[in-house]
Amino acid sequence: EPEVTQTPSHQVTQMGQEVILRCVPISNHLYFYWYRQILGQKVEFLVSFYNNEISEKSEIFDDQFSVERPDGSNFTLKIRSTKLEDSAMYFCASSSFQGGLNSPLHFGNGTRLTVT
Amino acid sequence: QKEVEQDPGPLSVPEGAIVSLNCTYSNSAFQYFMWYRQYSRKGPELLMYTYSSGNKEDGRFTAQVDKSSKYISLFIRDSQPSDSATYLCAVPPNTGNQFYFGTGTSLTVIP
Repeated sequence: EPEVTQTPSHQVTQMGQEVILRCVPISNHLYFYWYRQILGQKVEFLVSFYNNEISEKSEIFDDQFSVERPDGSNFTLKIRSTKLEDSAMYFCASSSFQGGLNSPLHFGNGTRLTVT
Repeated sequence: QKEVEQDPGPLSVPEGAIVSLNCTYSNSAFQYFMWYRQYSRKGPELLMYTYSSGNKEDGRFTAQVDKSSKYISLFIRDSQPSDSATYLCAVPPNTGNQFYFGTGTSLTVIP
């Protein structure tokens, strides 16, 4: 069964450093997402991406964050200057149609980001 | 008011028990309701989804929606140790992309 893959599984970085989290969505999916989950808290929406542009973003997704689909397969999340509170599990997801229209999200196994 | 509320548990049951997991939601316009299962250090995986009110059954799992009370439930029959995970209810929006997740209920099935 096709799956969403994420790398690395764990990233440790120092405060103020830039990190790039990588994802390969399911190949025939059109919508791509980043969610995050701070330990013990809800899965929170960050951003959705369709047709090579951001289609929706949350308040969390400020100027420190950016997303890119540099080629036909990868989807990346960049955090420009990491803060301690960015420590979380970051999940990439994809769906074949726009979320909400009978199109569930398929998640990767996440990247655990630890900012020290 | 939060879009989706879920009792975080934890819930611990003996093997073979019937498990009931529940969520409430705030917006009566929501139409699709999903349950995701998340094993430790893994991403959420879709377990079941239902449209509007009623029941949907898949093996030992039954998802139930009561739109009049804005209440969604997941029942697990004959629970197994392999069912030990966190169960998240999720509601996709009618428009847009931002799924709303509950906090998740941690379930442990004891052999």
